[in-house]
Amino acid sequence: SAVISQKPSRDICQRGTSLTIQCQVDSQVTMMFWYRQQPGQSLTLIATANQGSEATYESGFVIDKFPISRPNLTFSTLTVSNLSPEDSSIYLCSEAPQGGVNTEAFFGQGTRLTVV
Amino acid sequence: RKEVEQDPGPFNVPEGATVAFNCTYSNSASQSFFWYRQDCRKEPKLLMSVYSSGNEDGRFTAQLNRASQYISLLIRDSKLSDSATYLCVVNEDTGRRALTFGSGTRLQVQP
Repeated sequence: SAVISQKPSRDICQRGTSLTIQCQVDSQVTMMFWYRQQPGQSLTLIATANQGSEATYESGFVIDKFPISRPNLTFSTLTVSNLSPEDSSIYLCSEAPQGGVNTEAFFGQGTRLTVV
Repeated sequence: RKEVEQDPGPFNVPEGATVAFNCTYSNSASQSFFWYRQDCRKEPKLLMSVYSSGNEDGRFTAQLNRASQYISLLIRDSKLSDSATYLCVVNEDTGRRALTFGSGTRLQVQP
């Protein structure tokens, strides 16, 4: 099983600022994912973070708003830029299941962001 | 139409009750299916995978009907500790290997 350390666990940020979230995996993984979970909602995929190439964004998410870094196979960051209250949400990172599509995916503990 | 649909609940049941959750998915090419559990303010964790033949893990039974694109989870003899949100999750295997989540069904088991 993978262990993913995500930080910060929570933050309160002012409008117009940015927050960078970090995820560290205890083993090398080819793909990492970033999800958003809005209050009372389920997880929505923001982007796939690939090592050595640009992240792949899902419909409705753009690089200018959610820049992602993936400098190596154990680490990724997601920045939420130009914050507005609508960005208040939980952000989670995950790794691609290592044993194939039928195996468990592990998640970071989540970052609870409140924008004031 | 949502890709994975669930009844959001909440389901309020007494201890010892049997409760069933249902889920439908829209992509007939989906490859793998799961139930994840998410406790309040925690990350999702795998409860069980779902196989075409149906599978059981203690008090939990999962069923998959590919023809109807329908997944179910049955919890027998509910415990207080079963209170959580249950997420129906599908891997559409489009090559990206990310998971598609239902909106979750909230279960509250009461003493």
